[in-house]
Amino acid sequence: RKEVEQDPGPFNVPEGATVAFNCTYSNSASQSFFWYRQDCRKEPKLLMSVYSSGNEDGRFTAQLNRASQYISLLIRDSKLSDSATYLCVVTTGTGGFKTIFGAGTRLFVKA
Amino acid sequence: DTAVSQTPKYLVTQMGNDKSIKCEQNLGHDTMYWYKQDSKKFLKIMFSYNNKELIINETVPNRFSPKSPDKAHLNLHINSLELGDSAVYFCASSHISYEQYFGPGTRLTVT
Repeated sequence: RKEVEQDPGPFNVPEGATVAFNCTYSNSASQSFFWYRQDCRKEPKLLMSVYSSGNEDGRFTAQLNRASQYISLLIRDSKLSDSATYLCVVTTGTGGFKTIFGAGTRLFVKA
Repeated sequence: DTAVSQTPKYLVTQMGNDKSIKCEQNLGHDTMYWYKQDSKKFLKIMFSYNNKELIINETVPNRFSPKSPDKAHLNLHINSLELGDSAVYFCASSHISYEQYFGPGTRLTVT
């Protein structure tokens, strides 16, 4: 089993759609959780941190369920500019030094 | 101001050569990382350094030798380059277990 697993994608959605990304992780002792975004031929950039209480940033909502070892990202009212690869990221190990990236889910938003 | 910078951006070299990639961060972070992103776009951690000390070495061949002269720099030296080393190498920095900031990447092509 992979340490961090994401929906394989790609997702093709029209502008204005709501899209949900799912992610599971295998190590119950994982400490921190993030969603990153990576545009083609660019570096990954932090989209948002994920907390058990859930957090929202404009059109983006992230949730963490530690009991199920599950992380989600919801994008509402998709824009063309949301087209990118979304990466689920988990830190684990002593001190949280080990960072594990999921394989990513590619999103295409079309007009 | 560039937060995490890498040089060079592109590197084309022949098998068997030795090459180095440099990374610098001006964010005051105590932890730096090297990642490899292969042709399938999977991002995998190679090394983590905290306060100039190696913390994580993810079973990377010993042809790869990271060096951290100070907390703001983490360089990667690769000996005897092989075709399979062709990839994009990203440097990143963070405070421990917090969100990471990535450099723009170094695209290495081994011919």
